[in-house]
Amino acid sequence: ELKVEQNPLFLSMQEGKNYTIYCNYSTTSDRLYWYRQDPGKSLESLFVLLSNGAVKQEGRLMASLDTKARLSTLHITAAVHDLSATYFCAVVSAGKSTFGDGTTLTVKP
Amino acid sequence: EPEVTQTPSHQVTQMGQEVILRCVPISNHLYFYWYRQILGQKVEFLVSFYNNEISEKSEIFDDQFSVERPDGSNFTLKIRSTKLEDSAMYFCATSKGFSGNTIYFGEGSWLTVV
Repeated sequence: ELKVEQNPLFLSMQEGKNYTIYCNYSTTSDRLYWYRQDPGKSLESLFVLLSNGAVKQEGRLMASLDTKARLSTLHITAAVHDLSATYFCAVVSAGKSTFGDGTTLTVKP
Repeated sequence: EPEVTQTPSHQVTQMGQEVILRCVPISNHLYFYWYRQILGQKVEFLVSFYNNEISEKSEIFDDQFSVERPDGSNFTLKIRSTKLEDSAMYFCATSKGFSGNTIYFGEGSWLTVV
């Protein structure tokens, strides 16, 4: 059974600081997604990572994938308040998605 | 920007009743998914659907659940006999292709079973 572990689960950070969210998974994967969810809202796709060493960046967010370590990271650069949300990683293996528990990020002025 | 549209946005139903949740996928998308999220918890995959048949399903997707695309546009999730623990937000999602394609989510249908 595929297990996906995200940490930290809660993250409070100051505007302008950098931080990394980690997503570990237990078996080989086909691909990995990162999503953002605002309170009471749906999920917004941020990144899809397919292969070892994949790196994608959009604005202040950068995601990477290390399939050998079974680890993906979501790095936040110079955080701003608008990035406050819950971030989920989701690992697809044999066609099925397994989500992490989510990391709730609060960016304070 | 094209959207995935879900109806109803909220439904309250009595335990044991049947519920149908509807989704209109983005028009040129071929892969369809249902997920659910119990309040305050993580998102759970239910089922994926391609070419008018189920591609994959999770352990949650038991005989009480079914999906179909009855008229070539709507994609539906049916829960035959609802239980209290079926109370959750149900998200429909679609993608153009399978691997490597962005998955677009609808706004969700909030199901409350009483």
